[in-house]
Amino acid sequence: DQQVKQNSPSLSVQEGRISILNCDYTNSMFDYFLWYKKYPAEGPTFLISISSIKDKNEDGRFTVFLNKSAKHLSLHIVPSQPGDSAVYFCAAKRSGGTSYGKLTFGQGTILTVHP
Amino acid sequence: DTGVSQDPRHKITKRGQNVTFRCDPISEHNRLYWYRQTLGQGPEFLTYFQNEAQLEKSRLLSDRFSAERPKGSFSTLEIQRTEQGDSAMYLCASSLLNKRLNYGYTFGSGTRLTVV
Repeated sequence: DQQVKQNSPSLSVQEGRISILNCDYTNSMFDYFLWYKKYPAEGPTFLISISSIKDKNEDGRFTVFLNKSAKHLSLHIVPSQPGDSAVYFCAAKRSGGTSYGKLTFGQGTILTVHP
Repeated sequence: DTGVSQDPRHKITKRGQNVTFRCDPISEHNRLYWYRQTLGQGPEFLTYFQNEAQLEKSRLLSDRFSAERPKGSFSTLEIQRTEQGDSAMYLCASSLLNKRLNYGYTFGSGTRLTVV
């Protein structure tokens, strides 16, 4: 049961253009969403997050959009840089109860930004 | 702050052998998580510690797996009688129980286990 899905295994973008990475979820109890970036031989690094009470959160070149009715979120990177080339994971969590901050991850999308 | 450290970085073992991994979290972090990542998949939750108490275990954690966090500091993950299906990257993460934070974990670089 894949509760968080990233349906695009890979994305290739030209430097300077926008990168859009998509994520869908099925569990309506999720109320907090995060994006992680992972380089080879390193652990995932936290990038940006959004609470379910918001529909947009921006941090520099990175913006995350949340559409709760569609259970869909996206990460926009503008402008894309070659150093952004990495695997991007979408993750979700639900607050309270016995969730203990446990994250459910998608399968990841490999982003390649060409110079 | 030296981040989350995991040891070893790589481990190759024969099927049926026991292996143990160590994780040293960020010193002030009281939450510690173990995740497993296989090729082409995202990290999957294995278990969670709050201080020294193991509060949740995933169904993925069979009886051959055991984790400890004595004194609420470093943690160990042991796999007994390893199987080829145990081959994966084992990731440790830590965070601080504080609702004002952004809920982002700090992950270690992982231990890559290969069972031959």
